[in-house]
Amino acid sequence: SYELTQPSSVSVSPGQTARITCSGDALSKQYAYWYQQKTGQAPVLVIYKDSERPSGIPERLSGSSSGTTVTLTISGVQAEDEADYYCQSADSSGAYQVFGGGTKLTVL
Amino acid sequence: QVQLQESGPGLVEPSETLSLTCTVSGGSISGYYWSWIRQPAGKGLEWIGHIYSSGTTNFNPSLKSRITMSIDTSKSQFSLWLNSVTAADTAVYYCARDVTLTSQMYYFDYWGQGTLVTVSS
Repeated sequence: SYELTQPSSVSVSPGQTARITCSGDALSKQYAYWYQQKTGQAPVLVIYKDSERPSGIPERLSGSSSGTTVTLTISGVQAEDEADYYCQSADSSGAYQVFGGGTKLTVL
Repeated sequence: QVQLQESGPGLVEPSETLSLTCTVSGGSISGYYWSWIRQPAGKGLEWIGHIYSSGTTNFNPSLKSRITMSIDTSKSQFSLWLNSVTAADTAVYYCARDVTLTSQMYYFDYWGQGTLVTVSS
């Protein structure tokens, strides 16, 4: 079955830049989407179509894509950014949707 | 503002059928795909499948043999049935609205708050 691979954890100090990667063979053909999930809450869409930001999402969150890896970048990290982040995409045939295993962002 | 609310039993016995309903408010259920997504405690998200307002469905291959979905546009509700459940099906179950770019590309813009379903005797 198709998999998206994320680091299990990333830690940064406030004001620094956090980068969370997501790798998958089909990412060169499929868009990726990113969700932020805070403890006890439902996920919230923060990036769609690799790099587009929904209204209401801070500009310090951005997305990029290169080959089979997509990256969520959070510039000037704030305490409120501490959460789990999940990437989502489809397998190469588009038959079904897959989520990455999630990355826990810790703000030191 | 679209809102989704899951409802259903919080406890299901092993080998029985899990059933959940999602009620949509603040927007139309027609013209969209609607998904079910689950998350075991402390683990990641798993897409279960989705249903279009016309009743067309598509399921995760790993669960396909055990899933049924239906939709009632008059009530703005859609439902999930998962049969032959085991402890591995214990999870928070979310319903969500799809944003469809193509038949292969879609993402989820509105989510319910989630409901915990425990499989245990």
